[in-house]
Amino acid sequence: GAVVSQHPSWVICKSGTSVKIECRSLDFQATTMFWYRQFPKQSLMLMATSNEGSKATYEQGVEKDKFLINHASLTLSTLTVTSAHPEDSSFYICSANSQMTQYFGPGTRLTVL
Amino acid sequence: GDSVTQMEGPVTLSEEAFLTINCTYTATGYPSLFWYVQYPGEGLQLLLKATKADDKGSNKGFEATYRKETTSFHLEKGSVQVSDSAVYFCALTYQPGNTPLVFGKGTRLSVIA
Repeated sequence: GAVVSQHPSWVICKSGTSVKIECRSLDFQATTMFWYRQFPKQSLMLMATSNEGSKATYEQGVEKDKFLINHASLTLSTLTVTSAHPEDSSFYICSANSQMTQYFGPGTRLTVL
Repeated sequence: GDSVTQMEGPVTLSEEAFLTINCTYTATGYPSLFWYVQYPGEGLQLLLKATKADDKGSNKGFEATYRKETTSFHLEKGSVQVSDSAVYFCALTYQPGNTPLVFGKGTRLSVIA
């Protein structure tokens, strides 16, 4: 099946700094990628839809200036958490579509101190 | 809006026991239905799917049948193994590959030897 990777797998940062998370489709091209956030023992919540070559579409309640998404190529989408705070600590998961199926990355655990 | 409801966990079973995880959905149309599995520390993996009523998805001994009349997609396995211990998510979407998934809250399964 299709493979989606994320980097880094985990990151610890100080409050106020910015963190960039990469999502790559390794063996296919994806015009659309999705970013989800997962809190401990909870389900995945969609944050935004990332479209190659255009602006991302954010879900209600997600601050687009705080969670910057760039889908610069057909195999790469990035999520930058700007001026991170402890409440941004979470598990961030991306997904990409291939042949009518959504494939998920392994996730990135962000801890903001 | 559309939603997915799963049975509350955690579910603890002995090895070789029969597994059922209930999933019901609320949707305005006729979505495709999915089960994803998340092993500890990993991202989500597609377990099985069904795209229309009465379809049965199956994989690795797991099965689920799309029941339109009861708006359900219950996951079953005849004999669970310790390696099946994971969190299972039921999800739906209308255009697989183009639209994001709506997830249930997940059900944690622990299988003991």
